[in-house]
Amino acid sequence: GESVGLHLPTLSVQEGDNSIINCAYSNSASDYFIWYKQESGKGPQFIIDIRSNMDKRQGQRVTVLLNKTVKHLSLQIAATQPGDSAVYFCYFAGGTSYGKLTFGQGTILTVHP
Amino acid sequence: GAVVSQHPSWVICKSGTSVKIECRSLDFQATTMFWYRQFPKQSLMLMATSNEGSKATYEQGVEKDKFLINHASLTLSTLTVTSAHPEDSSFYICSAGDLLAKNIQYFGAGTRLSVL
Repeated sequence: GESVGLHLPTLSVQEGDNSIINCAYSNSASDYFIWYKQESGKGPQFIIDIRSNMDKRQGQRVTVLLNKTVKHLSLQIAATQPGDSAVYFCYFAGGTSYGKLTFGQGTILTVHP
Repeated sequence: GAVVSQHPSWVICKSGTSVKIECRSLDFQATTMFWYRQFPKQSLMLMATSNEGSKATYEQGVEKDKFLINHASLTLSTLTVTSAHPEDSSFYICSAGDLLAKNIQYFGAGTRLSVL
């Protein structure tokens, strides 16, 4: 569920390394998941999504992994670049109906050149 | 992806005045838009769900008389912060969903509100 009022965890990596950002969810009815990227002073941007009938989906330099058994979602970024520095949020929704977002806590990713 | 325009991007106002923030879906229709508030280094907090042609649904703890929401058309929702006070200073973000791409929300760039 939402982590209101908590400060976000941080992850620091070197440029070129792979990054893994994790997210846990609690609602077993969640069947649709999205990762968003939020750069400083901007609104969140869609990165990649996955439905519960899949356990892995790849995009350009990003891979999302879903483990429904332990209710865990992860975002892997290959060859991380300084431009990847941002806050990453996971979002999960239950069912197929259109509804409000439930954001995960978010992780601040800092990429050092 | 779809484009959501939010205006203004930054506003400074005096305490006691009201500020209106606009959220527009530029290339799609959105029956539902959402308004969030975000403090530095924290996650987005949903304030309210804005439904076209009907009253907004506010989250617990959000004052509906303080944060007025109007969703007059399928492409425009407005948030008015009434009688703003310094504690209302924050980053406000709207989002809208494409009816053809359910559950994917597209976000505006956000509005930085500073109340003096």
